[in-house]
Amino acid sequence: NAGVTQTPKFQVLKTGQSMTLQCAQDMNHEYMSWYRQDPGMGLRLIHYSVGAGITDQGEVPNGYNVSRSTTEDFPLRLLSAAPSQTSVYFCASSYGTALYEQYFGPGTRLTVT
Amino acid sequence: QKEVEQDPGPLSVPEGAIVSLNCTYSNSAFQYFMWYRQYSRKGPELLMYTYSSGNKEDGRFTAQVDKSSKYISLFIRDSQPSDSATYLCAMSADNQGGKLIFGQGTELSVKP
Repeated sequence: NAGVTQTPKFQVLKTGQSMTLQCAQDMNHEYMSWYRQDPGMGLRLIHYSVGAGITDQGEVPNGYNVSRSTTEDFPLRLLSAAPSQTSVYFCASSYGTALYEQYFGPGTRLTVT
Repeated sequence: QKEVEQDPGPLSVPEGAIVSLNCTYSNSAFQYFMWYRQYSRKGPELLMYTYSSGNKEDGRFTAQVDKSSKYISLFIRDSQPSDSATYLCAMSADNQGGKLIFGQGTELSVKP
């Protein structure tokens, strides 16, 4: 199993550009989520999904969209990038509501200039 | 006020020392308590978890939860240089529909 994979590993965007961060898991996990990690702030939940077709907002959802058309994939879309979205983004997944068994991807380092 | 507070450190200890990492929280509904370890430029990995109050031991690691004080701890015995990482506490409640709340993380350095 590859576990949780994220692409790209690094990305530089200009203010106002849009892009999609990809996340996939091959563990047949129902629950998937996106976090951003900033210095001194820990991990903050952006959006999460409890199954295909179901998504909900986390702590910091503004400026981001998600969709969950399949169990395996959970892409994160930045609609109009802003310097405040410079961060490291992590995708995570777990089976059902076993939140304590979340598996994290390797992260995407995003810089917005 | 953040729901979960964690001293960011950095914390530097000599090899073999006992390390104590702590988090406090304000939401009394939290029932699941987790500790993640994150090496530099990597994703977090689950170290230990506990449900409700009590202690849990796994090798050199012990997790404690005191719900009456809203305080959790992770103890590392006989610390090793390979334990150098950032340690994040995380919590969730049954009625929060899957939301995991993290502390800020404590950066630990174990010197040989």
